[in-house]
Amino acid sequence: DTAVSQTPKYLVTQMGNDKSIKCEQNLGHDTMYWYKQDSKKFLKIMFSYNNKELIINETVPNRFSPKSPDKAHLNLHINSLELGDSAVYFCASSQASGLATNEKLFFGSGTQLSVL
Amino acid sequence: QKEVEQDPGPLSVPEGAIVSLNCTYSNSAFQYFMWYRQYSRKGPELLMYTYSSGNKEDGRFTAQVDKSSKYISLFIRDSQPSDSATYLCAPHPGGYNKLIFGAGTRLAVHP
Repeated sequence: DTAVSQTPKYLVTQMGNDKSIKCEQNLGHDTMYWYKQDSKKFLKIMFSYNNKELIINETVPNRFSPKSPDKAHLNLHINSLELGDSAVYFCASSQASGLATNEKLFFGSGTQLSVL
Repeated sequence: QKEVEQDPGPLSVPEGAIVSLNCTYSNSAFQYFMWYRQYSRKGPELLMYTYSSGNKEDGRFTAQVDKSSKYISLFIRDSQPSDSATYLCAPHPGGYNKLIFGAGTRLAVHP
């Protein structure tokens, strides 16, 4: 059983399109995240949700909109895709109600987004 | 200055070598130090976690923190081809704060 699963694994699309990435965790965790990893491998947090409530919202263009229908799911919708959005997007989850001291993050396998 | 800096590598070593992976940071508020390992086309996974200065050993892996020089190291003894991955350091100030990752060092262990 995959703990944190995200779909699709690969996403190739044209500039200007709107696309969504889905994430589900079966660990019973309260907190879920979206991270972006660029071509230089920098892993940066984008959003964090705790029990469907947004708790971290980094400086991300408002073309990116996360949606959490329940605490086991966190989807990422991207409008008007741009070339610079090409990256690997990782979903993650953690047990407690925030990013506490030694909290372990569980990551999905990533979605490789290529915008042409 | 970036909050966390790592040499991106790649670092290529023969099987059995001792590997030293390093990370520097600028924020003296960091108290907890984690190392994540990321295999190709996979998400990162927590490898080791250390609090404050000192050493922590887990099998072939040793994490070392020197807070006075803001320097973090991960040592791998008897390195194996299965250790080939990108290693990301991730310091944390404690409390409810986001985790900040270094860019990672890519390690290749060849037979």
